[in-house]
Amino acid sequence: AQSVAQPEDQVNVAEGNPLTVKCTYSVSGNPYLFWYVQYPNRGLQFLLKYITGDNLVKGSYGFEAEFNKSQTSFHLKKPSALVSDSALYFCAVRDIGGNTPLVFGKGTRLSVIA
Amino acid sequence: GAVVSQHPSRVICKSGTSVKIECRSLDFQATTMFWYRQFPKQSLMLMATSNEGSKATYEQGVEKDKFLINHASLTLSTLTVTSAHPEDSSFYICSARDFDGTDSGANVLTFGAGSRLTVL
Repeated sequence: AQSVAQPEDQVNVAEGNPLTVKCTYSVSGNPYLFWYVQYPNRGLQFLLKYITGDNLVKGSYGFEAEFNKSQTSFHLKKPSALVSDSALYFCAVRDIGGNTPLVFGKGTRLSVIA
Repeated sequence: GAVVSQHPSRVICKSGTSVKIECRSLDFQATTMFWYRQFPKQSLMLMATSNEGSKATYEQGVEKDKFLINHASLTLSTLTVTSAHPEDSSFYICSARDFDGTDSGANVLTFGAGSRLTVL
């Protein structure tokens, strides 16, 4: 079975500092990995995804994530955080080739403090 | 880009009534749509996969008679919460997969803005 772990419920970072939101996954085969962001009372917005190829994936709003197969991780990063980045972030995984739904982590709330 | 419209955004109803939530793909056709439920400070729970022209596939533990799903066209799926009770109060979110030419499993899910249901 596939699963996603986001070990931190909350991440606090000062504006201008780099941020990292952690994600590890478990799949039986190779993964498709996604990051989504949710603002209050809104649906989820797509940030970036890893399918294959370069392990460093760049996405929307300056975010990037690095796929690390040996550590089964897909941490979300941004070099310089903005207050407007404050939101709930979800990591998600799907097993390649399997007819399985996308599985989400429990989410990490990011607070960027001015 | 792909847009999914969800209506209503908020609904308050009395216990025992039924509520219908609509999910529309505005600029693409979606043979498959997904319905999620989100509890406060918790992740999204997949409720069911809605398939155009056929019966929905429900996840384990989700009552199909309670949460009726209809996917009558390639752009519309509806979720009806029947005989709603206060414990059904939640944030319901639909999504659809916009085929981008790659393996469908890698396609990005586009989400609606969600519907907050409050049952009194």
